[in-house]
Amino acid sequence: DAKTTQPTSMDCAEGRAANLPCNHSTISGNEYVYWYRQIHSQGPQYIIHGLKNNETNEMASLIITEDRKSSTLILPHATLRDTAVYYCIVRPPYSGAGSYQLTFGKGTKLSVIP
Amino acid sequence: GAVVSQHPSRVICKSGTSVKIECRSLDFQATTMFWYRQFPKQSLMLMATSNEGSKATYEQGVEKDKFLINHASLTLSTLTVTSAHPEDSSFYICSARSGTSGSGYEQYFGPGTRLTVT
Repeated sequence: DAKTTQPTSMDCAEGRAANLPCNHSTISGNEYVYWYRQIHSQGPQYIIHGLKNNETNEMASLIITEDRKSSTLILPHATLRDTAVYYCIVRPPYSGAGSYQLTFGKGTKLSVIP
Repeated sequence: GAVVSQHPSRVICKSGTSVKIECRSLDFQATTMFWYRQFPKQSLMLMATSNEGSKATYEQGVEKDKFLINHASLTLSTLTVTSAHPEDSSFYICSARSGTSGSGYEQYFGPGTRLTVT
């Protein structure tokens, strides 16, 4: 079952903010929203995760709507090196049982344009 | 952040031979490691999950006798593709998860291994 929906592709001008949306309307109350990205021919890279509150780190900001049915990943000043496929993943917290593997959808291919 | 390495980064082998890929967590102990496969222009597909000292759990459709996984220590897991065929050519990626945290936790990925079977 697809738990998240993302646009297939997006373009962003270099230096501008990139806003990547994700719909997760069936998210459960204790499930986290995770974002990873994959640059061509590399392994995925963790970006950020959140539960209810907005989160910010050195890479990006994560805005989660109050009803938690959607979120937006924001790259404040996109560079050419941010060109990648971005994956939004919903996952329950670790509770000591189960492996809680990540299930990757098709993601959004972000192209940062000079 | 935590670092996961894979070796080799690229390998070319002949059909019928076996290939071993190593996945190491360099600065943390990985209680669980995951192996993914990614075909061109497709997303990552989980192949198997391994916990240190236990047998791996394979996803449906993945042949456990063909893709041998060993997780003998908290920092090393290996994937051996036995009797490789051209259709096994793919990008193999491992990831490692550290111990428990109670709340959200990150899964760290290796750089991937490009396998080409001729």
